[in-house]
Amino acid sequence: KNEVEQSPQNLTAQEGEFITINCSYSVGISALHWLQQHPGGGIVSLFMLSSGKKKHGRLIATINIQEKHSSLHITASHPRDSAVYICAVPNYGGSQGNLIFGKGTKLSVKP
Amino acid sequence: DAGITQSPRHKVTETGTPVTLRCHQTENHRYMYWYRQDPGHGLRLIHYSYGVKDTDKGEVSDGYSVSRSKTEDFLLTLESATSSQTSVYFCAISDAGMAEQFFGPGTRLTVL
Repeated sequence: KNEVEQSPQNLTAQEGEFITINCSYSVGISALHWLQQHPGGGIVSLFMLSSGKKKHGRLIATINIQEKHSSLHITASHPRDSAVYICAVPNYGGSQGNLIFGKGTKLSVKP
Repeated sequence: DAGITQSPRHKVTETGTPVTLRCHQTENHRYMYWYRQDPGHGLRLIHYSYGVKDTDKGEVSDGYSVSRSKTEDFLLTLESATSSQTSVYFCAISDAGMAEQFFGPGTRLTVL
C-alpha cells in the first residue's frame, strides 16, 4: 500500500516569495494529484500529472517518477494563495485502487 | 465548476440516531466517492460507487452504508451515529477511476 508524505506541514511566507511544497510517496504511480482546500473548506483540483511539469498561472507542479517525489511551486505568492495544499496518489501504486491523500500543507501568505 | 451539491450542509444529531447525507451531481460522472476529513488525517475514503447499484468499501467503511439508485445521487447512511463519526464529509465525482476528482462543498456533522 502506498504511503504519502508532505512537507512542510505549515508554511508562512511574505507576499511575493517563491513557495515550494513537497510530496513523496512509496510505491510507483501512474499519476499524482495536487488539490487546494480554501479556508472556507472547499476543495479544488489543481493538477493531475504523470511526468515532467505542468503550469497554471503562478502555480507549477513537477514530478520525478524515479525519485517518487513531486513539488508544487507558487511564484510571486499572494495572500489569496493562503490555503491547504494536498497531494494524492493511487493507494496501490500504478493506477490501482483509489486515491490516498497526504495530510496537507497549510500555507499562510502575509501581506 | 462541476455541479455537485451536498445536503444537508450542517447537521447536529444525537448518538444512536440514523443519519443520511446526500450527494447530487449534474455532470453524469460514473464514479462517486464519500470521504471524511478529520484533524491530523488526510481525506479518507469511506465508500465509493463505480456505477448505478455498484459500490465498494473504502478504508474507513465501518459504521457506514451507501446506496446509488440513480447516476446523479449517492447517499451515505450512518445507521446509528456515534461521536467518532463527528467529521466533515465530502462527496467527490470523477468520470473515470483514476481521473481528476471534483469535490462537493462538504457537510459538517456533529454527533453529540
